[in-house]
Amino acid sequence: QQQVKQSPQSLIVQKGGISIINCAYENTAFDYFPWYQQFPGKGPALLIAIRPDVSEKKEGRFTISFNKSAKQFSLHIMDSQPGDSATYFCAASRKSDKLIFGTGTRLQVFP
Amino acid sequence: GAGVSQSPRYKVTKRGQDVALRCDPISGHVSLYWYRQALGQGPEFLTYFNYEAQQDKSGLPNDRFSAERPEGSISTLTIQRTEQRDSAMYRCASSQDRTSGANVLTFGAGSRLTVL
Repeated sequence: QQQVKQSPQSLIVQKGGISIINCAYENTAFDYFPWYQQFPGKGPALLIAIRPDVSEKKEGRFTISFNKSAKQFSLHIMDSQPGDSATYFCAASRKSDKLIFGTGTRLQVFP
Repeated sequence: GAGVSQSPRYKVTKRGQDVALRCDPISGHVSLYWYRQALGQGPEFLTYFNYEAQQDKSGLPNDRFSAERPEGSISTLTIQRTEQRDSAMYRCASSQDRTSGANVLTFGAGSRLTVL
């Protein structure tokens, strides 16, 4: 079922730095690409999402960059804060079907 | 309710026993999903429902796993004759409206199953 590959597995960033997490997908029929954020002991929660008709979407400090030809998309967290420390999952789905999740990236932001 | 509610939060059982995990989705949410999440891994799809109809059960590992949502609200995931490899966090999620193509899932806190 592994159709979405995520890297890196873990990431350590200093406060104020940029965090970048990458995902690659295989199924060209995917048309919805969300990122979920998960804190310890909690369920994943939607952070930001993009469709393949745009190359970038920005919401506050969080930006998704999408490269349709390369079948890749990435999450950029600008001015990373200790409160951003969490596990991040990329996901993809086709026509409102089930979400297929990546394996996750554990982000640690140090002061 | 205000969120997706799952019970029990923790379940310890002996190998060979049956377990039932319950999910109470957000009121009015049409779709309900079951995922399994191993430690350090992403959620793995098991099955989902629209209203009471099971739309896709392709992720259920084998016939020991089953799910139902008889009245289109609360759902139960049942695992028969549990095995140690079934130990995991089982997460339920619901979504309101998938017609827009944006499948926004709200996850519950999960049910952690340990099979001894």
